[in-house]
Amino acid sequence: DGGITQSPKYLFRKEGQNVTLSCEQNLNHDAMYWYRQDPGQGLRLIYYSQIVNDFQKGDIAEGYSVSREKKESFPLTVTSAQKNPTAFYLCASRDRGSIYQPQHFGDGTRLSIL
Amino acid sequence: LAKTTQPISMDSYEGQEVNITCSHNNIATNDYITWYQQFPSQGPRFIIQGYKTKVTNEVASLFIPADRKSSTLSLPRVSLSDTAVYYCLVGNTDKLIFGTGTRLQVFP
Repeated sequence: DGGITQSPKYLFRKEGQNVTLSCEQNLNHDAMYWYRQDPGQGLRLIYYSQIVNDFQKGDIAEGYSVSREKKESFPLTVTSAQKNPTAFYLCASRDRGSIYQPQHFGDGTRLSIL
Repeated sequence: LAKTTQPISMDSYEGQEVNITCSHNNIATNDYITWYQQFPSQGPRFIIQGYKTKVTNEVASLFIPADRKSSTLSLPRVSLSDTAVYYCLVGNTDKLIFGTGTRLQVFP
């Protein structure tokens, strides 16, 4: 089954800790994205990557870091510098072909602070 | 980036057709219109995408007038399981703007 897998589904972080959220896709998509969603709100873009070994800051990149060493993987690290990390994190991917293709999403990771 | 305006919420009953209209007055020539559905604690699910006129798939239709300044998502014969938040997005790049969407509540 082709799709996007995010893990873990729930994650708890202690104050001062960095945590890494996993996102894997087997859709052979070039582009991958990380979003943050707060209760009752829309999604906000944290980082995105159009190709391997390249990524761009989104609207709320402060306190987050990413890497894109493999086409199928785009992990997100929530660092201790992110002062309000409690949120629902969503990963997406997209085929960057000649015709504009929509993003497809995973089922998210809910991060909470202990 | 084109901004969209949708109703905050809508109510319907099972079996009815639901039309959700999205306004996007500053849509650019190359922008596409995309709709997503989101259930609580799940990622958004792609419903339909169009550029102009009408697009139909197995779950919905998308109506786009000639000026493209608005679009209407049509859900035929909704069921309780269609209760969700629906997002309208406009763009053609990697950076899209998600508003707060339209919360559709379907009653029995």
